[in-house]
Amino acid sequence: DAKTTQPPSMDCAEGRAANLPCNHSTISGNEYVYWYRQIHSQGPQYIIHGLKNNETNEMASLIITEDRKSSTLILPHATLRDTAVYYCIVRVGTGANNLFFGTGTRLTVIP
Amino acid sequence: EAGVAQSPRYKIIEKRQSVAFWCNPISGHATLYWYQQILGQGPKLLIQFQNNGVVDDSQLPKDRFSAERLKGVDSTLKIQPAKLEDSAVYLCASSFKGSTEAFFGQGTRLTVV
Repeated sequence: DAKTTQPPSMDCAEGRAANLPCNHSTISGNEYVYWYRQIHSQGPQYIIHGLKNNETNEMASLIITEDRKSSTLILPHATLRDTAVYYCIVRVGTGANNLFFGTGTRLTVIP
Repeated sequence: EAGVAQSPRYKIIEKRQSVAFWCNPISGHATLYWYQQILGQGPKLLIQFQNNGVVDDSQLPKDRFSAERLKGVDSTLKIQPAKLEDSAVYLCASSFKGSTEAFFGQGTRLTVV
């Protein structure tokens, strides 16, 4: 599976949009981009995934560049409860097996 | 819907002792995973079950770690004997077969002293 690069930490003001970048320049055509997050003292939580097209659900939006070498997770109106470590994962197929988490981005939402 | 249940939440043991962790997945989830998360790192897969069969245990240190899921529901992960470097959070997750989303438990925090 392709490797990903994420900034180690980011801050975001409460109520503003949080934009979390992920670089996956070696992604191959059959690899999906997944995002999970991990709130302190909890297990990771699935957020969203996509292949080529932008995706949106009740939690977030995922914007994938046309060349698929990078993506951005957008939390439209960040709240204090969104403070967590966000993991960008690239893997083949749509199953949940063998997710390689890396070290992620620690997002702190500031009141 | 009940989530993935794990016990105990915390465990402190001395090195060379044995320890076991228990996981009860979400009802109906055929796939079960055990992950190890060392402080400051992301979770790393140890083993994956499909029903009661092992799908992937390539990253399980088999000289000291073992896991079973005898009836295809609950699972136990055992470490015998424990080393200091086994101090970590052990996370259990489950999913429907082929599902995109894995559901994680809160984990068991193991401290080996």
